[in-house]
Amino acid sequence: KNQVEQSPQSLIILEGKNCTLQCNYTVSPFSNLRWYKQDTGRGPVSLTIMTFSENTKSNGRYTATLDADTKQSSLHITASQLSDSASYICVVSAPTGANNLFFGTGTRLTVIP
Amino acid sequence: EAGVTQSPTHLIKTRGQQATLRCSPISGHTSVYWYQQALGLGLQFLLWYDEGEERNRGNFPPRFSGRQFPNYSSELNVNALELEDSALYLCASSYGNQPQHFGDGTRLSIL
Repeated sequence: KNQVEQSPQSLIILEGKNCTLQCNYTVSPFSNLRWYKQDTGRGPVSLTIMTFSENTKSNGRYTATLDADTKQSSLHITASQLSDSASYICVVSAPTGANNLFFGTGTRLTVIP
Repeated sequence: EAGVTQSPTHLIKTRGQQATLRCSPISGHTSVYWYQQALGLGLQFLLWYDEGEERNRGNFPPRFSGRQFPNYSSELNVNALELEDSALYLCASSYGNQPQHFGDGTRLSIL
């Protein structure tokens, strides 16, 4: 069964600290993996997208890694800011079709001063 | 460039009523997707429209339906509303295999 699991479910960190969010998936075949940031009351916004051959991709203070062999991805946030408080959603795509997007339930990150 | 816009922002209905949610995609995008995001749950795929045709639907009952207009905007209709339909309904648009861009959703509350 195609699944995407994220951990932790929630996380609280101090402003300025780093953190790493995890995503494990069983989706096969695999096309790409995306990380989205969803602020409260807003729609998800794409942070990174990685294909099978990419191991790392950065977007400012956000760095995503992908190990396609172990079917694991991580999102590392450096020097966290209060504005990083949001839900982070991992989305894994199979090669074709809109319902071939598999969503994790997200990690709720809270950055406190 | 204007993003995906959804209306209304909030919608309050009672059980048994019907709700209509609207979505305008990014200019040039031909595909529109609808998702349901219930509290504490991940996004659940509802419907995919492309070039005016329904291409696929998720595991939802037939009372969830929609359409896409010639200008690529879309409506999601939910009939015979039930309490468990309370959720954030997100619309996304894309062109071809490009990543989806999401709107900010419609918060549907069923009393």
